[in-house]
Amino acid sequence: GAGVSQTPSNKVTEKGKYVELRCDPISGHTALYWYRQSLGQGPEFLIYFQGTGAADDSGLPNDRFFAVRPEGSVSTLKIQRTERGDSAVYLCASSSTGGPYNEQFFGPGTRLTVL
Amino acid sequence: GNSVTQMEGPVTLSEEAFLTINCTYTATGYPSLFWYVQYPGEGLQLLLKATKADDKGSNKGFEATYRKETTSFHLEKGSVQVSDSAVYFCALSSGGSNYKLTFGKGTLLTVNP
Repeated sequence: GAGVSQTPSNKVTEKGKYVELRCDPISGHTALYWYRQSLGQGPEFLIYFQGTGAADDSGLPNDRFFAVRPEGSVSTLKIQRTERGDSAVYLCASSSTGGPYNEQFFGPGTRLTVL
Repeated sequence: GNSVTQMEGPVTLSEEAFLTINCTYTATGYPSLFWYVQYPGEGLQLLLKATKADDKGSNKGFEATYRKETTSFHLEKGSVQVSDSAVYFCALSSGGSNYKLTFGKGTLLTVNP
């Protein structure tokens, strides 16, 4: 079946602009995660959704970052007033229930470049 | 807080060589441990996992044993292939209410024919 998909695959924007990154999880997966991967680093946790609610947003770096999942499926990560330091690959993952033994399936990522 | 430290790369081996990539962790409680792999041009995929002390995870000839006494989860393979060339990430999930993953920095493995 279809895996996790993310759009766009690449996004180039100018400093100060607003961007939206989309994640389509595996159908039926209730848990959804966003991570950010900077060059040469491992992914870092941003936010976790269980259903429609953000159960843990402790990884969001500041209030320019926001994410929604209004119907418990597709999620959008929104970044306001982008800065050059926001440049990274943004990864989305989903799992069936969010428990400790449930594998997280990752999407291919969106590469964001802020000029 | 939780952290994962893994062997700095890059690692370059000849085909059929023995592979070890070291991984140690710091975590509260009893974490689950994972190795993820990222092949060139592809997304992260789970390679293997272990959920409690002394468990051994294995897949595709790779193995890792959860060692609580040394807080380690080293990845090993007896005979690597060119197709194993990829970036390998050690990760942990320490439970709580969301099971988010904490990753190491990744180790680039290149296997030459």
